[in-house]
Amino acid sequence: SAVISQKPSRDICQRGTSLTIQCQVDSQVTMMFWYRQQPGQSLTLIATANQGSEATYESGFVIDKFPISRPNLTFSTLTVSNMSPEDSSIYLCSVEVGTYEQYFGPGTRLTVT
Amino acid sequence: SQKIEQNSEALNIQEGKTATLTCNYTNYSPAYLQWYRQDPGRGPVFLLLIRENEKEKRKERLKVTFDTTLKQSLFHITASQPADSATYLCALALPGGSYIPTFGRGTSLIVHP
Repeated sequence: SAVISQKPSRDICQRGTSLTIQCQVDSQVTMMFWYRQQPGQSLTLIATANQGSEATYESGFVIDKFPISRPNLTFSTLTVSNMSPEDSSIYLCSVEVGTYEQYFGPGTRLTVT
Repeated sequence: SQKIEQNSEALNIQEGKTATLTCNYTNYSPAYLQWYRQDPGRGPVFLLLIRENEKEKRKERLKVTFDTTLKQSLFHITASQPADSATYLCALALPGGSYIPTFGRGTSLIVHP
């Protein structure tokens, strides 16, 4: 298993600003994932972050809007840039442990006004 | 397009009964299927994984079945308890590549005492 923490747990931001979300894991992992979960919707994968390489973004998500850092095997950040109300969502990081089991952080609830 | 369907209506049952949740999918030939539990304000928690060549998997009061002909998985909780009340998500991963799962929207389960 893995214990994952995220900061901040929630934030209210003004449109046009940026927010950086931190994800910390209690063990070294190869792959970290960033998801978005809008109210009543399923989890949508934003990108996969491997240490030492550029993040891989899913269709509909671009690096300029969601830059990701992965400086080591236990930490990653996701920045939501130039925010608009449509970015209001819960952002979750996760890691894969064992065979295909994903462990999630508690999420960051973002509200953009 | 690929689609994962879970009942959007909440399932209400009495304590002690068996809860059965359904996950249907189209245009997939998944390598495996997973079930997660998500409580309000929390990240999803991994429960069970079943592979394409398995028909059934059990863990304590949980049972998952996987019918690749019907393209359906059933998730059962026997002797349900109010503490089982949560949203349950199914997730599928395709063979090849990174096996990163795609999530359904989830079904809310409410167990009444």
